[in-house]
Amino acid sequence: GDSVTQMEGPVTLSEEAFLTINCTYTATGYPSLFWYVQYPGEGLQLLLKATKADDKGSNKGFEATYRKETTSFHLEKGSVQVSDSAVYFCALRNTGTASKLTFGTGTRLQVTL
Amino acid sequence: DAGVTQSPTHLIKTRGQQVTLRCSPKSGHDTVSWYQQALGQGPQFIFQYYEEEERQRGNFPDRFSGHQFPNYSSELNVNALLLGDSALYLCVSSLGLGRDEQFFGPGTRLTVL
Repeated sequence: GDSVTQMEGPVTLSEEAFLTINCTYTATGYPSLFWYVQYPGEGLQLLLKATKADDKGSNKGFEATYRKETTSFHLEKGSVQVSDSAVYFCALRNTGTASKLTFGTGTRLQVTL
Repeated sequence: DAGVTQSPTHLIKTRGQQVTLRCSPKSGHDTVSWYQQALGQGPQFIFQYYEEEERQRGNFPDRFSGHQFPNYSSELNVNALLLGDSALYLCVSSLGLGRDEQFFGPGTRLTVL
């Protein structure tokens, strides 16, 4: 079945540091890939997505590239801010009429001054 | 435009009891999915409703059941509650099946004592 594996947290960084959160997946077919973010006390929000190989999703300075050859979708940001502190979830949706999202376990990011 | 709303916000039950959680999808959305998010984990897909029928189901026992009403709102019912059912239950809405754009509600926190 489909699965998503993402790096364990927590990740602690100083403000303006470079961020990478690794995500790899296993899926049949050609899934869409997502990063969701959960800020403290809030619901999950879509951060970015990519729907086919070599697509790059980007939003709020975050980027991730759909790498089919390595089945990866790593999240990156060049300079993190304290306000980026949150839990980040990598997820996939397989093709067709299925809406089911398969999530990783989440990576908590803590950014300090 | 109201987003996805869920009620109640919090709920405390004892083992063996039954619970009903409610969800109103985002305006215009006709498809509702339910997820269970245990503490420190990613959301797990329970099932999806479209046109008042269950369309897709995850690996959850029959104790978990649902319903969708003609106005697209939905209920999640859990019978014979176990301690392990304690989690955040998330409602997700979309316009039609197989959509990448899915919107999460804030969740209902269920505690089973």
